[in-house]
Amino acid sequence: DAGVIQSPRHEVTEMGQEVTLRCKPISGHDYLFWYRQTMMRGLELLIYFNNNVPIDDSGMPEDRFSAKMPNASFSTLKIQPSEPRDSAVYFCASSFAVGTYGYTFGSGTRLTVV
Amino acid sequence: GNSVTQMEGPVTLSEEAFLTINCTYTATGYPSLFWYVQYPGEGLQLLLKATKADDKGSNKGFEATYRKETTSFHLEKGSVQVSDSAVYFCALRSAGTAGNKLTFGGGTRVLVKP
Repeated sequence: DAGVIQSPRHEVTEMGQEVTLRCKPISGHDYLFWYRQTMMRGLELLIYFNNNVPIDDSGMPEDRFSAKMPNASFSTLKIQPSEPRDSAVYFCASSFAVGTYGYTFGSGTRLTVV
Repeated sequence: GNSVTQMEGPVTLSEEAFLTINCTYTATGYPSLFWYVQYPGEGLQLLLKATKADDKGSNKGFEATYRKETTSFHLEKGSVQVSDSAVYFCALRSAGTAGNKLTFGGGTRVLVKP
């Protein structure tokens, strides 16, 4: 298995632009998670899905952030409009539902908003 | 609710030194416990896990034992290498509670000097 695949690896955009991050989870995993990591705030859970349905989006910082999972093999995290404070590394992770399994993380997307 | 507390870093060691990173947790039920490692510029990787009391997880020379009586899951390695320099995260997952989410500690940065 190729693991969790995220794209792009790096994104540099100007303030006010729309940014879309993409994630392909591991086939068969029931859960998908979006995290943000910064030096100041550490690792933050933004939103997670179970069987393509958003379960908890309480970590999404503002209405500028939205996430979708149209099918079991694809998810997007969109920021519109982007701001410099959104600069961070965004990780996607997927997992089986059973609690004895951990998550498998993607390599992340490093977002820089200038 | 669930929580994980791990020692703050950075931890600076010389090569071949003994490493211990303390981790304690609070959880309902019988959680599974995990250690993740994040190398510079990469995503989090599962290092080891233990799913029930007294289990010992091990991988790449690292070990951790699930101690229910002390609610701890300390990570140890007998002889570290420069390549072990990374951030280490302790985490727990309780099946059936809190949506099967992993609860992470704040991470401990380890720097191994030659």
